[in-house]
Parts: sequence; structure tokens; C-alpha cells
Amino acid sequence: GENVEQHPSTLSVQEGDSAVIKCTYSDSASNYFPWYKQELGKGPQLIIDIRSNVGEKKDQRIAVTLNKTAKHFSLHITETQPEDSAVYFCAASYGFQKLVFGTGTRLLVSP
Amino acid sequence: ETGVTQTPRHLVMGMTNKKSLKCEQHLGHNAMYWYKQSAKKPLELMFVYSLEERVENNSVPSRFSPECPNSSHLFLHLHTLQPEDSALYLCASSQGGLADSYEQYFGPGTRLTVT
Repeated sequence: GENVEQHPSTLSVQEGDSAVIKCTYSDSASNYFPWYKQELGKGPQLIIDIRSNVGEKKDQRIAVTLNKTAKHFSLHITETQPEDSAVYFCAASYGFQKLVFGTGTRLLVSP
Repeated sequence: ETGVTQTPRHLVMGMTNKKSLKCEQHLGHNAMYWYKQSAKKPLELMFVYSLEERVENNSVPSRFSPECPNSSHLFLHLHTLQPEDSALYLCASSQGGLADSYEQYFGPGTRLTVT
């Protein structure tokens, strides 16, 4: 069935460093790939997304890249700040109006 | 805030109790979702409603019963739950309807503990 693998499960960086989280999906028909940030006690918040007709998308310090051939997509955060510390989830679309999620990456940014 | 609210935020219930979770969206969306979030597992899709009709039931036990009285409200009725049902239950909404749209916006969740 549909599956998304996400790595790493935890990531510790120093403030100002870059962070990269990678995901691999299984359904070649997937055409929408969002990233969510979940802070403690809150629901997941959509932070950036990309569609299959685009290879890269950037929004200030965050960017997402997509390689449809390899079925890989990645989240890049530059100049990390302590407030970037959270759990990040990738997801891929499948079927009609549905998403399958990765297992999450806990990002810790140390001052 | 995302425009999706959930109540209660925390719930403790015994295995013989009956309770309901409520979700309301203020985004004018037509599709609503229930997810279960357990530690170290991906978000599990439970139910999908589009235009107030259930379009997905992801092999969820009958002790979970959803209800969507209109496009803004979604309920999850709970009865005779098991301790393994303890989790964060998340509601989400998307544009839905006839448009095959995927952007989903989540509420803050209800932390459920079954004792």
C-alpha cells in the first residue's frame, strides 16, 4: 500500500546551521507533497508544500525539493533558530483528497 | 490559529464510558478528517467526509462512530474503548468537495486517555 519513509527520526543542530529531512514515497501517482511542523501541545501546521510539476520551492528560510524519478523529497531549513525546534512530518497524496504521512523527525536546535 | 477547533482538549474515560469529540472548522471547507496520532507511529487516517458524506472508513473498529451533521462540524462518538485507544485524536479539514485538493489544516487535537 501507500507508504512514506522519513529520515532521520531525530536531528540535533546548532543555531545557525542548516537542517535537512528526507522522505521517500511509494505511490508513483502521488502529486502533492506537504510538510508539517508540530509543536508540543499543538496540531500539525502546514509550513510548505510542493506539487509534482515543480522541482523546488522556497519560502524564506525553508525550501523543499522533489525528485519524482527517485520518489524522493526533502525539507531544507537554513539559519536554524531555537524556535524551529519541533517535530516535522512529510506527507504524500494518494487516492482522492488523502495524505499518507511519514513517522516524523524531531528537530532540536541548540542555542 | 488554523481555523479548526477541537473540544475537549483533554479527556480521560473508563472503558465502559460513552463520550464524544467535537471538531469545528471556520474555513468554508467541504471535507473533514479524523486522524489518530500515537507515539512513534505515523498519523493514521480514520475517516474522511466530503460534502457531509463519509467517503473513507479506514478499517476503524465500530467502537469509533463518526458523525458529520454539516460541512462545518464533525464528531467522533466513543464507546467501550480499550486502553490501546489512548492517543491524540486530530481533526483536519480541506477544500474538498468536487475539487481534488489536498491541503489539510489541522486542529490542536484531543488527548484521550482510556483507563
